[in-house]
Amino acid sequence: EAQVTQNPRYLITVTGKKLTVTCSQNMNHEYMSWYRQDPGLGLRQIYYSMNVEVTDKGDVPEGYKVSRKEKRNFPLILESPSPNQTSLYFCASSPQIHNSPLHFGNGTRLTVT
Amino acid sequence: ILNVEQSPQSLHVQEGDSTNFTCSFPSSNFYALHWYRWETAKSPEALFVMTLNGDEKKKGRISATLNTKEGYSYLYIKGSQPEDSATYLCAFQGDNFNKFYFGSGTKLNVKP
Repeated sequence: EAQVTQNPRYLITVTGKKLTVTCSQNMNHEYMSWYRQDPGLGLRQIYYSMNVEVTDKGDVPEGYKVSRKEKRNFPLILESPSPNQTSLYFCASSPQIHNSPLHFGNGTRLTVT
Repeated sequence: ILNVEQSPQSLHVQEGDSTNFTCSFPSSNFYALHWYRWETAKSPEALFVMTLNGDEKKKGRISATLNTKEGYSYLYIKGSQPEDSATYLCAFQGDNFNKFYFGSGTKLNVKP
């Protein structure tokens, strides 16, 4: 089944403890991106990747890192999480950026205390 | 940061009613406009990707129109059903088409 898989679905952690949210797609998509969703706000783009080893910042990249060493995987890394990073996170992929919709993962709800 | 606005924020209709909502976006440097349907506890699913001024797309009882010159898109649902209850998101792509700017969504509740 074609899908975007995020893990974990739920995570509660403490301030400063490094964590990684994984994202994997099995559709050979070139484009992948991360978003956070907060109450009252639209999805905000954190980082995106056009292909292997090509990544760039979205609108809210502070406090996050990403890597794209393989086409299928695009992990989101929080080196030192803070409570303001408590949010619902979505990974998405697309076969190409032109005229193609985003395919979203199931989301990761992160709580930082 | 680009401003993408959706209205209304929420909408309550009766089963069988037709409804529509709006997405407003910058009219300059337009590349594409996306619509997604997001059910509670699920992930957003694509409805339409629209690129040309005057474009109209249809999927079953849902259709959308696009006006890039004035910077808006309408989503219409004909004969709403309870299963249409969801949040409808629009997303704008501008001249940096790798970046997506989402509205905060219209939450639709269809009462049986």
